[in-house]
Amino acid sequence: DAGVTQSPTHLIKTRGQQVTLRCSPKSGHDTVSWYQQALGQGPQFIFQYYEEEERQRGNFPDRFSGHQFPNYSSELNVNALLLGDSALYLCASSLRQGTYEQYFGPGTRLTVT
Amino acid sequence: QKEVEQDPGPLSVPEGAIVSLNCTYSNSAFQYFMWYRQYSRKGPELLMYTYSSGNKEDGRFTAQVDKSSKYISLFIRDSQPSDSATYLCAMSAPTGNQFYFGTGTSLTVIP
Repeated sequence: DAGVTQSPTHLIKTRGQQVTLRCSPKSGHDTVSWYQQALGQGPQFIFQYYEEEERQRGNFPDRFSGHQFPNYSSELNVNALLLGDSALYLCASSLRQGTYEQYFGPGTRLTVT
Repeated sequence: QKEVEQDPGPLSVPEGAIVSLNCTYSNSAFQYFMWYRQYSRKGPELLMYTYSSGNKEDGRFTAQVDKSSKYISLFIRDSQPSDSATYLCAMSAPTGNQFYFGTGTSLTVIP
């Protein structure tokens, strides 16, 4: 049973550019959440998708947007990249909205230069 | 004030020691309490969860929640070098949509 997968593993971008990160949830899961984890910090909630809609959003600017596809996979898009966007971006999937059991992927490490 | 406070450590203990990891929180609406383990350059792995107050045991791991004090703990008995990792506490309100994480405590178990 495949767990949560994310691509790419690493990414280097320049300030002002745009980036798209991808996530495939654990088999059977229908809810995807995205987190940003800066070095030495805990993950910070960006937003959650369920039934192809953004259900809740953390304290992140509109430069961060997302999408969920009919097969439950998801994308995170970040526009106008800033140096402070450098972080590990984690995707977590769960069986349904509102469950405590979230399973995390290995993350995408984004470096903005 | 942060929603969740966690001592970042680092914490270094000899093999076989009992380890105590703790978090405090400010939001009384939190009902779900989780502990994750994160190895270097990996995603967090769910270790244990507890609903509301009380204790929960799973092998060498025991999770405790004291809602009156807004304080949660994870105890690791007979610690092993393989337990060396960063331990993150996380919690959520009943809707469960948004998890709030601590900063993580870095643990090293010395053989």
